[in-house]
Amino acid sequence: SQQGEEDPQALSIQEGENATMNCSYKTSINNLQWYRQNSGRGLVHLILIRSNEREKHSGRLRVTLDTSKKSSSLLITASRAADTASYFCATDASKNQGGKLIFGQGTELSVKP
Amino acid sequence: DTAVSQTPKYLVTQMGNDKSIKCEQNLGHDTMYWYKQDSKKFLKIMFSYNNKELIINETVPNRFSPKSPDKAHLNLHINSLELGDSAVYFCASSQMGTGNTIYFGEGSWLTVV
Repeated sequence: SQQGEEDPQALSIQEGENATMNCSYKTSINNLQWYRQNSGRGLVHLILIRSNEREKHSGRLRVTLDTSKKSSSLLITASRAADTASYFCATDASKNQGGKLIFGQGTELSVKP
Repeated sequence: DTAVSQTPKYLVTQMGNDKSIKCEQNLGHDTMYWYKQDSKKFLKIMFSYNNKELIINETVPNRFSPKSPDKAHLNLHINSLELGDSAVYFCASSQMGTGNTIYFGEGSWLTVV
């Protein structure tokens, strides 16, 4: 069964605005990751947050994790047209530090110039 | 230099045919995967190999047979192709024990007619 669910499914904003995407999951996790997929391309890893972390930053990206609510959010600040892509959360719930990631269905972000 | 490369990128074939997709990674990773992405962008793991050994085998028809001749290669052979096999197939790799960050290939677009 699907682990992650993302909200919203689609988001359209103007350049310069912030974009927030949410992800909920069902089971305990080792870590949660966010990936970006540009149209017609493979997925690219953005950021990983471990289960004992609450917030992480990378450039214009800010990720939060609330394990009590089993949810995470990805914030992209000062968005650019080049941020237009699908964004996926993925959870690592494997017992060892390796194994499968379970992906959500993604949020399609459109940033208009 | 391409990290995870897969060929062919596009494949159009008739029902009933047999086809293969090849994948190679030059990242020195010990784990490789095949993921399937459907028309709704839902990404689901199919297989995972660690050091040439099958470690994940999701509920996939036995018409799909992965083969890993060495750690750097994971090929996917599909027999008796069906219309429902039309999807994008992504090869990926990771190094176990590093939080399982996955590096994806650019995908192989399979269309069965």
